[in-house]
Amino acid sequence: KQEVTQIPAALSVPEGENLVLNCSFTDSAIYNLQWFRQDPGKGLTSLLLIQSSQREQTSGRLNASLDKSSGRSTLYIAASQPGDSATYLCAVRPESGGSNYKLTFGKGTLLTVNP
Amino acid sequence: DGGITQSPKYLFRKEGQNVTLSCEQNLNHDAMYWYRQDPGQGLRLIYYSQIVNDFQKGDIAEGYSVSREKKESFPLTVTSAQKNPTAFYLCASSYAQNYEQYFGPGTRLTVT
Repeated sequence: KQEVTQIPAALSVPEGENLVLNCSFTDSAIYNLQWFRQDPGKGLTSLLLIQSSQREQTSGRLNASLDKSSGRSTLYIAASQPGDSATYLCAVRPESGGSNYKLTFGKGTLLTVNP
Repeated sequence: DGGITQSPKYLFRKEGQNVTLSCEQNLNHDAMYWYRQDPGQGLRLIYYSQIVNDFQKGDIAEGYSVSREKKESFPLTVTSAQKNPTAFYLCASSYAQNYEQYFGPGTRLTVT
């Protein structure tokens, strides 16, 4: 059974700092991995999707990397801003055709960026 | 504007009553999903649908029912058989089952 772990559970940084959020998964047979952002009481916003054949994806100040064989992904946020404060979730989709509709989510990292 | 809408944003019900949560999308996505989110837990899949008139149970389908009569709509009914229905419910959609999922704003259901 796939398990997704996000460390740390919470992170507080001063504005302007570069930071890394970690996601690990137990079964490396994944189709892709998706990073999301969730603001309090809101839905999830998709940030980046990395296919299993890719090593990284970039969008603005965000860079996500994937090391499938070691079961790890990182989300790098450059020059953090108070508006980046949110919970960040990662989710993996399995390779197998019969169940690759199913995303397995981590519990998230709560990021606070202090002005 | 393309997107996913969920209504209502907040819903209060008495124990023993069935309640239906709405989810509509205008993204022309074939696949739609319902998740439940509880504090300190990851999202858990309730039901998903790949095409109209077809849906499958997820990990925690007991006490829930769905229908998919139109491509745009995937309502979720929380029945009185669901033992612990108070939660935040999220609807999502994607072009196909292995594509990027997009989420709605959620409905917070409180049952007392």
